[in-house]
Amino acid sequence: EPEVTQTPSHQVTQMGQEVILRCVPISNHLYFYWYRQILGQKVEFLVSFYNNEISEKSEIFDDQFSVERPDGSNFTLKIRSTKLEDSAMYFCASTWEADTQYFGPGTRLTVL
Amino acid sequence: ILNVEQSPQSLHVQEGDSTNFTCSFPSSNFYALHWYRWETAKSPEALFVMTLNGDEKKKGRISATLNTKEGYSYLYIKGSQPEDSATYLCAFYNQGGKLIFGQGTELSVKP
Repeated sequence: EPEVTQTPSHQVTQMGQEVILRCVPISNHLYFYWYRQILGQKVEFLVSFYNNEISEKSEIFDDQFSVERPDGSNFTLKIRSTKLEDSAMYFCASTWEADTQYFGPGTRLTVL
Repeated sequence: ILNVEQSPQSLHVQEGDSTNFTCSFPSSNFYALHWYRWETAKSPEALFVMTLNGDEKKKGRISATLNTKEGYSYLYIKGSQPEDSATYLCAFYNQGGKLIFGQGTELSVKP
């Protein structure tokens, strides 16, 4: 069964460094999402992406964040200058249309 | 601000017990309510997508109901098994494309 994959599973970085989190959505899906969960808190929406552009973003998704679908298969989330409060589990999700979103296993980002 | 609440936060039951938990969500601008099952270190797994008031869905021993007028959904597990231990997340979908999650109910089933 097709699945969403994410790499790396765990990323440790120093404050101020750039990180890129990678996702490979299910191949025929058209809508892509990033969510995050800070430890002990709710899963929060970050951004949705459709037709090669951002369709919606949350207040969290400020100028430090960007998303890209560079080659038609990968979907990346870049954080330009990480802060301590960016430490969280980041989930990628994809869907064919406005229906069930399929989630990857997440990347745990630790900012020191 | 759209808010989705789940209760209880955690639940400990014995194998064979039946259990249920609640998700409450805004009753306006409703499009769909999603239930996910999330085991540690795995991807959240979609259980149900519910769209119609009065909807009831079933998958094996797990079932869910939906009341969009009053803004709640119940998830039931009949005859809980240790492998049902997971966090159960509900998420409100309001046609904007994003899911707004509750905080989850952590279920632990003891053999």
